Amino acid sequence: DAKTTQPTSMDCAEGRAANLPCNHSTISGNEYVYWYRQIHSQGPQYIIHGLKNNETNEMASLIITEDRKSSTLILPHATLRDTAVYYCIVLTDSSYKLIFGSGTRLLVRP
Amino acid sequence: GAGVSQSPSNKVTEKGKDVELRCDPISGHTALYWYRQRLGQGLEFLIYFQGNSAPDKSGLPSDRFSAERTGESVSTLTIQRTQQEDSAVYLCASSFFRENYGYTFGSGTRLTVV
Repeated sequence: DAKTTQPTSMDCAEGRAANLPCNHSTISGNEYVYWYRQIHSQGPQYIIHGLKNNETNEMASLIITEDRKSSTLILPHATLRDTAVYYCIVLTDSSYKLIFGSGTRLLVRP
Repeated sequence: GAGVSQSPSNKVTEKGKDVELRCDPISGHTALYWYRQRLGQGLEFLIYFQGNSAPDKSGLPSDRFSAERTGESVSTLTIQRTQQEDSAVYLCASSFFRENYGYTFGSGTRLTVV
């Protein structure tokens, strides 16, 4: 599975958009980009995933560059409850082993 | 139940003792995973069960660690002769087969070895 690179930490103001980048320059054609987050003292929570098209759900939007070497998770209106560690993971649809890197620690400021 | 249930939620044990951690997956989820998370660190994959297939034990850190699963139900993670470095939160997750977006994690068992 391809590796990912994420900033160690970020912050944003409550109510503003949070844009979390992820580099995955060695991603293969059949590998998806998945995002999970872990709120303090809880297990990780699935957010969104995509292959090459941009995706949106009730939690977030995922923007994948045309060359698929990077992506951005967008929380359109961040709240204090979005403070968490966000993990970007790439793997094939048939893989089963989620490998969590260090992630990005997002702090949403009041 | 509606989610993945883990017990106990907290466990303090003396160095050298054996401990057993339990995970009740979501009904119908054929895949089950164990992860370990040390304080301030990321999640480490330990073991994966899928139906009646042989489990993927590639993440178990030593032979003191073992896990079992009965069919598609309860799983137990056993740590023998615990060491202080075993102190961590042990997380269990379950999913339908090959549904990477369908992983549901439990709240974990916080193990402290003193």
